[in-house]
Amino acid sequence: SQTIHQWPATLVQPVGSPLSLECTVEGTSNPNLYWYRQAAGRGLQLLFYSVGIGQISSEVPQNLSASRPQDRQFILSSKKLLLSDSGFYLCAWNGRGKAGNTIYFGEGSWLTVV
Amino acid sequence: AQTVTQSQPEMSVQEAETVTLSCTYDTSESDYYLFWYKQPPSRQMILVIRQEAYKQQNATENRFSVNFQKAAKSFSLKISDSQLGDAAMYFCAYRSADSGGGADGLTFGKGTHLIIQP
Repeated sequence: SQTIHQWPATLVQPVGSPLSLECTVEGTSNPNLYWYRQAAGRGLQLLFYSVGIGQISSEVPQNLSASRPQDRQFILSSKKLLLSDSGFYLCAWNGRGKAGNTIYFGEGSWLTVV
Repeated sequence: AQTVTQSQPEMSVQEAETVTLSCTYDTSESDYYLFWYKQPPSRQMILVIRQEAYKQQNATENRFSVNFQKAAKSFSLKISDSQLGDAAMYFCAYRSADSGGGADGLTFGKGTHLIIQP
């Protein structure tokens, strides 16, 4: 069966420091991958999506970037964090077959920028 | 652009009772998918139920069922025999069937906080 994992689960970083959140998917190949952010008390906002290695589309201009160095690996990065980057980040992947239009989420990563 | 509206910021129900969460959406498309996701205190987003717009039959998953009214653009979630573990934020979400081979993401509502009273 397919699973998705992301880490770290919790991160506290000072303003101006770099960021790297990692996500991997198991049990499938060539998945569509997504990064979402959920600010406190708000819904989900799509940040990036990827349909293949090295292919990244950005939905919202911001301080963050994404990369996909391997088929089942998706990384969210920042060179210098801002206070406004704080939030809950979710990696997700697109199901296959009958669930081809369903998006499944990882456990999430809490980022607090101080 | 599509929009999803959840008009109930918070709902409360007694354990073992039935509760209905409302969701309306706006779209000009005829083919799409609708979802309910549950986000418990752990914050993981969990798929509850999925509905294809071309299917007239309402989806059901154990104690969870939907009332899909395509003409009214309404997609409510009914939870029967509510349990303490159902306490969570519930998000309604829309996804176009013509989403570029899966490249695009979802449009979410702002969520409904469901409280289960023991």
